Amino acid sequence: GAVVSQHPSWVICKSGTSVKIECRSLDFQATTMFWYRQFPKQSLMLMATSNEGSKATYEQGVEKDKFLINHASLTLSTLTVTSAHPEDSSFYICSASRSGTSGTDTQYFGPGTRLTVL
Amino acid sequence: RKEVEQDPGPFNVPEGATVAFNCTYSNSASQSFFWYRQDCRKEPKLLMSVYSSGNEDGRFTAQLNRASQYISLLIRDSKLSDSATYLCVVIRRGSARQLTFGSGTQLTVLP
Repeated sequence: GAVVSQHPSWVICKSGTSVKIECRSLDFQATTMFWYRQFPKQSLMLMATSNEGSKATYEQGVEKDKFLINHASLTLSTLTVTSAHPEDSSFYICSASRSGTSGTDTQYFGPGTRLTVL
Repeated sequence: RKEVEQDPGPFNVPEGATVAFNCTYSNSASQSFFWYRQDCRKEPKLLMSVYSSGNEDGRFTAQLNRASQYISLLIRDSKLSDSATYLCVVIRRGSARQLTFGSGTQLTVLP
């Protein structure tokens, strides 16, 4: 089956630093990837839609200058949390959309990155 | 009002029990429906798609009622390994395949 990887799986950083998270589709090309955030005991919230070769589309309330997204190739999207603060501590999950033979899309999720900002 | 609403639970049931989860969605333009399962501190994994005609996969049965904007998941003969959070997910027509998640229903199957 399709596999999506994320790196790193967990990171602890000091307040004010920037953290880059990578999302890779390992055995298929993904023109569209999605970035989600999940706080404890809450559901996944879509942050942005990442399109290869173009600017990401951010959801309302998500600061594009704070959460930088780059989708430079068909297998890699990166999310950079700039000047991270403790309230950015969360579980960040990406997904990659793969087109099926019947014309339907299936989203495959990465294993997630747990960010803790001290 | 949230776009996708679920009873958060928790549901604590004995092994072998039958348990049902409900979900309602507010946007009538929703076109695709799924149940995902999420284990603690892990990513969500697709359990099954939900079709208007209803569909079954082993011990799991999903139903969709478009008129009532209601989705259900039935688990029969529950196993300890079924313990997880079950997420109701919809895709709105024209939303570029963006998934909208419910907050999840927590299930614990007890020995």
